[in-house]
Amino acid sequence: KAGVTQTPRYLIKTRGQQVTLSCSPISGHRSVSWYQQTPGQGLQFLFEYFSETQRNKGNFPGRFSGRQFSNSRSEMNVSTLELGDSALYLCASTPRGGGDTQYFGPGTRLTVL
Amino acid sequence: KNQVEQSPQSLIILEGKNCTLQCNYTVSPFSNLRWYKQDTGRGPVSLTIMTFSENTKSNGRYTATLDADTKQSSLHITASQLSDSASYICVVSARGGYNKLIFGAGTRLAVHP
Repeated sequence: KAGVTQTPRYLIKTRGQQVTLSCSPISGHRSVSWYQQTPGQGLQFLFEYFSETQRNKGNFPGRFSGRQFSNSRSEMNVSTLELGDSALYLCASTPRGGGDTQYFGPGTRLTVL
Repeated sequence: KNQVEQSPQSLIILEGKNCTLQCNYTVSPFSNLRWYKQDTGRGPVSLTIMTFSENTKSNGRYTATLDADTKQSSLHITASQLSDSASYICVVSARGGYNKLIFGAGTRLAVHP
């Protein structure tokens, strides 16, 4: 089975712009979670989608949003980018979420100038 | 407050030596504890996942232990190799409808020849 894929791998944006990141889970997995990873904060949970519904949400401002499609692929959008949004954005998929083992993608490295 | 603390923050060892990484948590109600390995520039990869009733679990040269009474876990790496150089992240899952994951900040391990 192919692993979790994320596109693009690298992205450079300027403050005020918006960005959309994409995640394709492992075939058959219905849960996709998104995380932000920065050197200072470590991994922080953004949100989780299951069967096209947002099931849980972390403590991030409304500028961070996401969605999931019927084929379980997910997108994450960040509007009005700030310098502090520079980070590695990881998505992880599991068959059902919850206690399942998560399989992470390689991440998208976002740099905001 | 649910927290996961890892120690040491960083560690340098010589190839072939053993090492032990620590994880202390204050997560309740506890569901499971996971150890991940994250190579630089890549997503985390699951090493072990342990439930309340499991004391020890091995994955090759990696052995994780869990003491649910003291809320401590350790990851022991035997006969270290250069490829073990990575960050090791302890993640504790809290039970409650949707299992919430609390991430430790990680231990950065460098194995030198």
